[in-house]
This record gives sequence, structure tokens and C-alpha cells, in this order.
Amino acid sequence: YELTQPSSVSVSPGQTARITCSGDGLTKKYARWLQQKPGQAPLLVIHKDTERPSGIPERFSGSSSGTTVTLTISGAQVEDEADYYCYSTTDNVAVVFGGGTKLTVL
Amino acid sequence: EVQLVESGGGLVKPGGSLRLSCAASGLSSSSFAMNWVRQAPGKGLEWVASISGSGSFIFYADSVKGRFTISRDNAKTSLYLQMSSLRVEDTAVYYCASEWGSHPAGDFEYWGQGTLVTVSS
Repeated sequence: YELTQPSSVSVSPGQTARITCSGDGLTKKYARWLQQKPGQAPLLVIHKDTERPSGIPERFSGSSSGTTVTLTISGAQVEDEADYYCYSTTDNVAVVFGGGTKLTVL
Repeated sequence: EVQLVESGGGLVKPGGSLRLSCAASGLSSSSFAMNWVRQAPGKGLEWVASISGSGSFIFYADSVKGRFTISRDNAKTSLYLQMSSLRVEDTAVYYCASEWGSHPAGDFEYWGQGTLVTVSS
């Protein structure tokens, strides 16, 4: 069970950033998204494919279609520059992470 | 405010052992599933192990099964990871993460700042 993400995505401030995550298991299991800034612990920004935990800005949203989930940052800001990881679970409760996407907002 | 604080990391030789701890405050840790997730230097995240709120259900990644043991002491609101037969490839920052449910489901709501384990001769 693998989750595939692009290694990098680059946008200008104010543009929309989209990061995809693909895997066969995503048709059966929810995806989550983590944001990790350099030297910091990860932060959950999306769970259950589309839901945003409290405190996460509204510009972060998630969507799902078939075997692909997408994290969208509408009007990306410089402070959104980070590594983003998708992850999901398997039938036996193991957790699988994507390889991570480095988002550059420049 | 929820806080998770890991400790116990350090330098250990291949084949050695180490015990990591994660102290939880601000939540009733016995109600929530807990996890260990690691990150090798410059690499991505890797799930290591999960334990249910009661401690009755435990799951491991294949890469650590038989070598690592996850446990918890709800009276002390603490999580542990006993690591043995350590390998160079176990070198990583180890994070503890709590969930909002009592059974492991992968909803990593809160994270500690991590503790570095270095396995080297």
C-alpha cells in the first residue's frame, strides 16, 4: 500500500496551491494531511479527506476523487511554506505516509 | 492546553537498547489512543506503533515488530517505547502523537516536539 505525492510544488503568494496524493487504498480509507515546518513537529490540517480541525485557516481544504486526494491552499501565504504529508490507514490499522511534498511560496 | 513531551533519546550502539517516554498533560491520556512516529534525518515520516486508550490493542510497523514494545501507564499519563536490537536505520527523531478516539485510527491530533535517537558505533 503506497501513497504517492509530488516531491515539490511551487506557487506565488496569493495563488492557489494544490498537492495531490494517490493510492489505491484511498477509495476505502480516509486521508489526512499534515503540515511540517522546518524544525517543528507536524500539524494536522485536514482529516477525513475534507474536514479541517479547529484553528486551521479556512484557506486549507481537502477533496477526494477515486484514488486521489488533494490538499488545496487557496491564496497561499508565505507562512504556508512547509512540507506536507498525506497519510491513511490500512485494514489492519497500520498507518501509511506519502513521501511528502515541499511547498514553496515565493 | 495539551502538551506531549518526549524524552529518553540519545546515542546508542547497534544492537543496544533504549527506552523513550512521552509525558502527556492537559488531557486524560487514558481516554485516547497514542502513537509513535519517527522521522529519519532529512527524510519523511514513518509510523512506528499504536496503542489504544486501555492498552488492550497494540499495533506495530513491520520494520520494528519483535524489536520495539509500546506501552502506557495511564496513572502517570505516560507513553513508552522500549527499543531493543537497535539498527543504524532506526536513527530518527521519534514523536509521540495522541488521537481523539480511544482506538487507534490514525487521527494524530496532538504531537510532541520529538526526541532524537542516534544508532551508531
